[in-house]
Amino acid sequence: GESVGLHLPTLSVQEGDNSIINCAYSNSASDYFIWYKQESGKGPQFIIDIRSNMDKRQGQRVTVLLNKTVKHLSLQIAATQPGDSAVYFCAERMEYGNKLVFGAGTILRVKS
Amino acid sequence: NAGVTQTPKFRVLKTGQSMTLLCAQDMNHEYMYWYRQDPGMGLRLIHYSVGEGTTAKGEVPDGYNVSRLKKQNFLLGLESAAPSQTSVYFCASRNPSYEQYFGPGTRLTVT
Repeated sequence: GESVGLHLPTLSVQEGDNSIINCAYSNSASDYFIWYKQESGKGPQFIIDIRSNMDKRQGQRVTVLLNKTVKHLSLQIAATQPGDSAVYFCAERMEYGNKLVFGAGTILRVKS
Repeated sequence: NAGVTQTPKFRVLKTGQSMTLLCAQDMNHEYMYWYRQDPGMGLRLIHYSVGEGTTAKGEVPDGYNVSRLKKQNFLLGLESAAPSQTSVYFCASRNPSYEQYFGPGTRLTVT
């Protein structure tokens, strides 16, 4: 399987509970943020994004919160399911840049 | 619509050998990217392209070269592979809304 998770922080939650995954970003000039999910042996998959002029955005079962004051991003997953088990990455874009900077990731394990 | 595809999926090289990784996308995206992913680390950008015929360096470009001769293809070359280049390589393309779509990855081992 994928060894990308070596030494990453791990969040273990019970199936049906809500999950909160946190990310500290580095640059106050970043204007766009994305959360990705990466399952073992696969490429990252887009989950949800948020622009810096917003502080909350909701999707299907997921919510992203942005706190620009402390440069913090969180991903909330409601009613976590076994299929949510994966590594979750946040990424930030420098203002109007072409590139994303990725965080190291957090492993989410869902216990049935 | 296959999205982003990468070939090969796996490869083992000896130190000093060369190889080319191919990335193809069928979404007509202008922007394409090559990343490497190492254990315990996030994705690191190697090179990227903002359109056919253009390339630019990312965060970790040394030891790699790229070419974007056709809009749908982005090639990553290793001229003389080193053990430090053992990694999983991901290609991505992005749409105008900035959503990046990733390929399934290539696992490269250099012995």
